[in-house]
Amino acid sequence: EVQLVESGGGLVKPGGSLRLSCAASGFTFSSYSMNWVRQTPGKGLEWVSSISGSSNYIYYADSVKGRFTISRDNAKNSLYLQMNSLRAEDTAMYYCARPMPLTNILGSLGYWGQGTLVTVSS
Amino acid sequence: DIVMTQTPLSSPVTLGQPASISCRSSQSLVHSDGNTYLSWLQQRPGQPPRLLIYKISNRFSGVPDRFSGSGAGTDFTLKISRVEAEDVGVYYCMHTTQFPLTFGQGTKVEIK
Repeated sequence: EVQLVESGGGLVKPGGSLRLSCAASGFTFSSYSMNWVRQTPGKGLEWVSSISGSSNYIYYADSVKGRFTISRDNAKNSLYLQMNSLRAEDTAMYYCARPMPLTNILGSLGYWGQGTLVTVSS
Repeated sequence: DIVMTQTPLSSPVTLGQPASISCRSSQSLVHSDGNTYLSWLQQRPGQPPRLLIYKISNRFSGVPDRFSGSGAGTDFTLKISRVEAEDVGVYYCMHTTQFPLTFGQGTKVEIK
């Protein structure tokens, strides 16, 4: 069974940093691209970043480019999101998500974690 | 960036009756490989999103057959043939044709 478990969220002051993690299990982690998607309280979904299985291809939303860094450790079956220079508008639930089976980095997001909440406030 | 526009934003429906949600993209979602990477996701209250439909009309694993998707190019529709209580939630269309990936604003389905 595919499982994605996010951690690392919390309360941070504007300008601060936070590192999110996503522990994956139930599939061959290195074979799949991974994504971070966020959802602001009471609002819709926003794609944040994607990384290919070998980390050769990385993409970011303009809203986080230059501040956030996605990475992965295939030996540890883990996905990360380093978030620097955090702003109030980064306050959101952050989900990691995996494409459905047998698809590439543009595959539909078939598996989602429960999310970890990031709150940026002074 | 491709803008995804959903209508309506709210859909009160009677149990057992059909529901329909439209999604329009600001440009064609046909990829150079010939596929159209348009998905529909459901988000029940307090839950993460769940994939219902991929590539316009294909139901994901475990999705009931009362959910169906259709469309082409820039216009797409999600239909629920007979709404059940467990279908209450917010529905999003999403494209994965190119980066950045984008979502529609969401359509809230509630029972009248």
